[in-house]
Amino acid sequence: SQQGEEDPQALSIQEGENATMNCSYKTSINNLQWYRQNSGRGLVHLILIRSNEREKHSGRLRVTLDTSKKSSSLLITASRAADTASYFCATDRAQKLVFGQGTRLTINP
Amino acid sequence: EPEVTQTPSHQVTQMGQEVILRCVPISNHLYFYWYRQILGQKVEFLVSFYNNEISEKSEIFDDQFSVERPDGSNFTLKIRSTKLEDSAMYFCASRETSGSSPGELFFGEGSRLTVL
Repeated sequence: SQQGEEDPQALSIQEGENATMNCSYKTSINNLQWYRQNSGRGLVHLILIRSNEREKHSGRLRVTLDTSKKSSSLLITASRAADTASYFCATDRAQKLVFGQGTRLTINP
Repeated sequence: EPEVTQTPSHQVTQMGQEVILRCVPISNHLYFYWYRQILGQKVEFLVSFYNNEISEKSEIFDDQFSVERPDGSNFTLKIRSTKLEDSAMYFCASRETSGSSPGELFFGEGSRLTVL
């Protein structure tokens, strides 16, 4: 079954606006992680939220987790052109991370 | 800052040829992974490796694929007889912990494989 499905698939906003990306998953998890990928590059870990946490902050990032709805959201506040990238959520089930399709975020200057 | 390194960055091969992709995980990490990403698509799990054996593998990881940690530092992915559909970016990743308290994965920059 698919895990970690993000929406929207693509998001284009103006610099300075906030960007919100959502992720849904289907099975129980240990934690959920968000990663960023610049075009043609490797994935970089952004933030990890454990299954017993509801919200977590890191700089301009805010992640929420609702295990009852099996969903998570990533909010990037005060976006910058350098935030342009693909963002993936990944559900962690001990032996592996399973990634979603990702959201392509474009920040227009 | 420690990092996962992968070689080669790009390899072009003929269909049917064997390919070995190499990775040096972060030195104190115990869990190792290979993922692949076909252009423009999602990052797909191939295999996880711990304590010198495969922990889990996906349906993609058929008998044409194998992994090895030959010398305690390198972690290799071998594709025995490449097919056109093996063309993708292959990412190696490692992490320190797994199980009940798993942490983040650290990814290499990837090896782009092009099969002609």
